[in-house]
Amino acid sequence: EPEVTQTPSHQVTQMGQEVILRCVPISNHLYFYWYRQILGQKVEFLVSFYNNEISEKSEIFDDQFSVERPDGSNFTLKIRSTKLEDSAMYFCASKEGLGETQYFGPGTRLLVL
Amino acid sequence: EDQVTQSPEALRLQEGESSSLNCSYTVSGLRGLFWYRQDPGKGPEFLFTLYSAGEEKEKERLKATLTKKESFLHITAPKPEDSATYLCAVLLYGQNFVFGPGTRLSVLP
Repeated sequence: EPEVTQTPSHQVTQMGQEVILRCVPISNHLYFYWYRQILGQKVEFLVSFYNNEISEKSEIFDDQFSVERPDGSNFTLKIRSTKLEDSAMYFCASKEGLGETQYFGPGTRLLVL
Repeated sequence: EDQVTQSPEALRLQEGESSSLNCSYTVSGLRGLFWYRQDPGKGPEFLFTLYSAGEEKEKERLKATLTKKESFLHITAPKPEDSATYLCAVLLYGQNFVFGPGTRLSVLP
């Protein structure tokens, strides 16, 4: 069964460093998303992406964040200068054009020291 | 402000002891309500989508129902492998999900 994959599974970085989280959505899906979940808290929407542009973003998704689809398969989230409060689990999700269901990847656990 | 709440926060059941989880929402422009299961350290796994009041969906020991203000996830004769956090998410007209905080279910053998 097709699934969303994410790499790396864990990332430890120093405050102020740039990180890139990678996702490979399900191959025929057209809509892509990033969410985050701080330990013990709700899953929070960050950004949605369709047709090579951001379609919606939350207040969390400030200028430190960017997304890109550099080729036909990868979808990346970049955090330019990480802060301690960026420590969280980051989930990528994708959905096909017609359905509403978003399928989530296993997540990347980011720890900023 | 769009809000999704879930109750109880945590629930412990004996194997075979049926119960229900609640998801209440106050949102403008509901497109659909989704239930996901999340195991520790993993991504949410899709269970059900409900679009209109009165709709019901079933899968094995789980049944989801929807009214105009809330949804229930009924668990019949649960097994230890049903232990997980169950997340409710509301899909708004902006295409993004608003998640509830989840109900942490433990089913004891």
